[in-house]
Amino acid sequence: GAGVSQSPSNKVTEKGKDVELRCDPISGHTALYWYRQRLGQGLEFLIYFQGNSAPDKSGLPSDRFSAERTGESVSTLTIQRTQQEDSAVYLCASSQKTSGGPTGQFFGPGTRLTVL
Amino acid sequence: GDSVTQMEGPVTLSEEAFLTINCTYTATGYPSLFWYVQYPGEGLQLLLKATKADDKGSNKGFEATYRKETTSFHLEKGSVQVSDSAVYFCALNAGAQKLVFGQGTRLTINP
Repeated sequence: GAGVSQSPSNKVTEKGKDVELRCDPISGHTALYWYRQRLGQGLEFLIYFQGNSAPDKSGLPSDRFSAERTGESVSTLTIQRTQQEDSAVYLCASSQKTSGGPTGQFFGPGTRLTVL
Repeated sequence: GDSVTQMEGPVTLSEEAFLTINCTYTATGYPSLFWYVQYPGEGLQLLLKATKADDKGSNKGFEATYRKETTSFHLEKGSVQVSDSAVYFCALNAGAQKLVFGQGTRLTINP
C-alpha cells in the first residue's frame, strides 16, 4: 500500500497478558518510529529504527516494552505483562531522509490498546 | 531538553473566523518545525513544515512561519471551515530522529 499500515487496529487484552503490535512502513523508508498517545495527551516517543537497528530506545517506559525490525521493513512492538496504564493508541511512523534535511514522518492509523 | 508548548484548548470558532494556534519551542541547535493534524476518527497527518528560520510552511489554507527570534511557529488560517475541526499538534525535530510534540489543541468550528 501507499501508506503506513498497522495491525491490529484495536486490541483488548487482560492485565498480565503479552501483546504484539505490527507496523508496515512506506516502502523504501529507512527510518521507523513508535509513539504512544494516551487519551487527551500528546504523543510520546518510544523508539526509533534506522534500518534494522535501534539507535534510540530512550522512550521505552520499562523493560516490559521491546521492539524489533526485520528486513528494513516490518516492525513489531511487544508489551509483556500488560498493565492498565499501557492503555493508549500506539502509533507507528516512517520517514526517508533526503539531502535537504529530514522530511516529516508519515503516520499509520494506530493500534488502540485497551488493558482491562 | 527539547520541548514544545502549544496554546491550550479547546478552541471554538465560527465558520469563516480567523484562526491562530500558538506554538513556541525550546531546542538546542536549529530544529525543523511541523504542524500535524488529527481529524476525528483518523490518523495523524502532516499539515505543513518549515526547516529553517523565516521559512513559511503552507497547506490547505493554513500557514506557519518559523520565527527563530521568538522561537515560535504559530499556525494561522484566514477563514476556517467546519471541516477544519480536528486536533492540531505542533512538533519539532532537532537533529535527534524523534519528533517532540506539543500536547495538542482541539479545534471546533461551528457553522
